[in-house]
Amino acid sequence: AQRVTQPEKLLSVFKGAPVELKCNYSYSGSPELFWYVQYSRQRLQLLLRHISRESIKGFTADLNKGETSFHLKKPFAQEEDSAMYYCALKLTGGGNKLTFGTGTQLKVEL
Amino acid sequence: GAVVSQHPSRVICKSGTSVKIECRSLDFQATTMFWYRQFPKQSLMLMATSNEGSKATYEQGVEKDKFLINHASLTLSTLTVTSAHPEDSSFYICSATRQGAGTGELFFGEGSRLTVL
Repeated sequence: AQRVTQPEKLLSVFKGAPVELKCNYSYSGSPELFWYVQYSRQRLQLLLRHISRESIKGFTADLNKGETSFHLKKPFAQEEDSAMYYCALKLTGGGNKLTFGTGTQLKVEL
Repeated sequence: GAVVSQHPSRVICKSGTSVKIECRSLDFQATTMFWYRQFPKQSLMLMATSNEGSKATYEQGVEKDKFLINHASLTLSTLTVTSAHPEDSSFYICSATRQGAGTGELFFGEGSRLTVL
């Protein structure tokens, strides 16, 4: 069965420090991975998806099939990055059904 | 564009009563909507996939007679928690896909917090 693991419930960094939010997945098929973000008092929204290979708000994530990882990175954290981050996995042929990780709360301190 | 709205945002009910939560796509048509349940400090658990004009597909372990889902139009899906009990208290979130949107992109409602006394 598919699974998404985010080992850190809380990650606290100082402003300007690099950020890495970890995400590992288990899935026997060809995965599509996403990062969703939820800012305080706001709804979940898509941050980025691996197939686009895009950088959003300075964040990037590379799919590493060998390590089954899709870590989210940003070289210099900003205060406005403080939020809840969810890694999600879409199954091949599963429509748009996503399996979410448990989420990591990122706190950027001044 | 691509706004999903849920109503009510908060509801408190007595044990044994039924509660209906609405999920609307305001500016697009959503052939598929998803209902999630989120416990405090835990992940979103997919409950069911709601398809317009057909029966919902429930995830394993989700009681379909307990959580009734209706997707009567391309812009509205409803979740009815029947004979609610305190253990049904939770945060319920819906999401929808927009035709033409990138694969995997879901648009989420703001969530509905249900408290059963």
